[in-house]
Formats: sequence, C-alpha cells, structure tokens
Amino acid sequence: QQPVQSPQAVILREGEDAVINCSSSKALYSVHWYRQKHGEAPVFLMILLKGGEQKGHEKISASFNEKKQQSSLYLTASQLSYSGTYFCGTEGQAGTALIFGKGTTLSVSS
Amino acid sequence: NAGVTQTPKFQVLKTGQSMTLQCAQDMNHNSMYWYRQDPGMGLRLIYYSASEGTTDKGEVPNGYNVSRLNKREFSLRLESAAPSQTSVYFCASRMGGSGANVLTFGAGSRLTVL
Repeated sequence: QQPVQSPQAVILREGEDAVINCSSSKALYSVHWYRQKHGEAPVFLMILLKGGEQKGHEKISASFNEKKQQSSLYLTASQLSYSGTYFCGTEGQAGTALIFGKGTTLSVSS
Repeated sequence: NAGVTQTPKFQVLKTGQSMTLQCAQDMNHNSMYWYRQDPGMGLRLIYYSASEGTTDKGEVPNGYNVSRLNKREFSLRLESAAPSQTSVYFCASRMGGSGANVLTFGAGSRLTVL
C-alpha cells in the first residue's frame, strides 16, 4: 500500500525551511527519501532503518517514528537547487521492494 | 561505472504491438526493480526480482512480464501494448537483503502507445 505524503506541494523563498511528511499504515523496516528533478531519475537522499540507523547526505536531516510508521524530511535554509519532487519509499520487511508515495513538489524561488 | 543502463530511452508503439525494455546494472546488485511513473501517481512498482532466479509482482503487474536473465539484466516485456501503458519506466537496483541499501535508478524509458 502506497505511503501517504504531505503536503502535496510547497512553495518557498530561498532560506526558508520546510518539512515533508510520510505516513504508512503498515509496520516498516525502513524509509527512503529521494529527490527527482524534471526529466531526470530520482536521486538518493536518505535511508532510515528500524532501530535507528541512518544513512544519507550531510545536509539532509530526517526522522523516523517506528511506532507511528511516520517519517519526516527536514529541509532547512532552502536553496534554489532544492526544487524538485520528493518521494518517500517504504519497505515493510528487509529485502522486499520499496513502495513509493505520490510525491511532494517543492519550488524554491529567489 | 555506468550504474543502471536502460534501453531504449524513447519508444513509440501502436496499440497491440509488443516490445521489451532492457535493463542492466554493473554494481553487482542482487535486487532489481521496474517502476512506472505517471503524473500525480508517483513511482509505482510493476515487478521486482529480489535475487537472481526470482521475480515477484508489484502494485501494477497487469499487462507486463519480466525476465531476470542473469544477475546483471532484468527485462520488462509488454506483450500487447495499450494506451494506458504510456508512461515513463524506471529500472532500479540495489544490493538487497537487510541494511541501508541505496536504490540506484536508471535514466528512464519514455514509452508512448498510440
């Protein structure tokens, strides 16, 4: 079942902050975050595992609430390059496939 | 390293025609995936292969077949294309199993069915 992302769209000025949320109705092993620019493939941002392990880019922060099956991606001091569509992908059990949400479109202007 | 390579990048088909999308990875990954992307729908899983020799249906498998030819290659076949299969198709791969395994995507294949 697809995870639910919110909000669907965010409009920011450079330097502003944003939070993107991802929620699942099922117990999760991991949550993944990807960003996609128009016409390009999704690019990895962050993985959060059950138990607390995280792996990702230094400038990206995220949280994973295992009990609530929710994750949030925190984008601080946004830059023009942050614009794109952000997808969360959830994995119910280790080694199964990632199921992605419908995405959150972020637009950053100067 | 090339990563994940998909061919073709663009294809136009007529309704009822068949075609195969090819995907190959050179990262020694065990797991491979096919997703389709439509406006407003996100990335939807068509089929995946957790390891060589296994394949499983995803969220939207109807109208598609897959073959895990070997560890490197995972193809997606449309036997009788329909306009509803007009989409951008992404192949992806990762190591698989437990742990923080990053999913690497190919550049995508844009398919139009007339």
